[in-house]
Amino acid sequence: DIQMTQSPSSLSASVGDRVTITCRASQSVSSYLNWYQQKPGKAPNLLIYGASSLQSGVPSRFSGSGSGTDFILTITTLQPEDFATYSCQQSYSFPYTFGQGTKLEIK
Amino acid sequence: QVQLVESGGGVVQPGRSLRLSCAASGFTFSDYGMHWVRQAPGKGLEWVAIIWYDGTTKYYADSVKGRFTVSRDNSKNTLHLQMNRLRAEDTAVYYCARRGSHDTFDCWGQGTLVTVSS
Repeated sequence: DIQMTQSPSSLSASVGDRVTITCRASQSVSSYLNWYQQKPGKAPNLLIYGASSLQSGVPSRFSGSGSGTDFILTITTLQPEDFATYSCQQSYSFPYTFGQGTKLEIK
Repeated sequence: QVQLVESGGGVVQPGRSLRLSCAASGFTFSDYGMHWVRQAPGKGLEWVAIIWYDGTTKYYADSVKGRFTVSRDNSKNTLHLQMNRLRAEDTAVYYCARRGSHDTFDCWGQGTLVTVSS
């Protein structure tokens, strides 16, 4: 199975900040890497697919980069509604696997 | 609009069975593969199973293989997860999710809580 490791596990930031979250795969997943946002008590929401493509309706302050084993989610100019948990997920091979999540909190 | 609504969760004793359902609307259900994903309390997301759009192919996580069975009824726009020999570690919120283009989980239900406890 492909293991996905995110860092950091938690992150404190302020409104207006720029933040980056890293996701590393235990083996190459090419560009089959997706990012999700999840708020407490809610289902996840797809943000980025194919490592760098923005899902329809997602604000342009979200962006993704990387390929192979190393990926980055960047959020520029944090908004109050962005404080949530972010998870990466590989769809390169079954079983699909998620990172453990990064909780983004208000400083 | 696309809607997925799970049902069937509840409290069940270890070793017993439970069947979850996911009712789909707002899209052509028979055109899409469907997933089950779960999340234990305070934990991350765990993929559970996938079924192809026509039901011909299924894959499972090792943690549920041989105990859980995913199925679908395209005439009723419904997805199911039959869970047998339940264990305490199966306690989680179970989500159904649509297999979107680019192999994503592009739409999710609200989830249904399964608690395995004596």
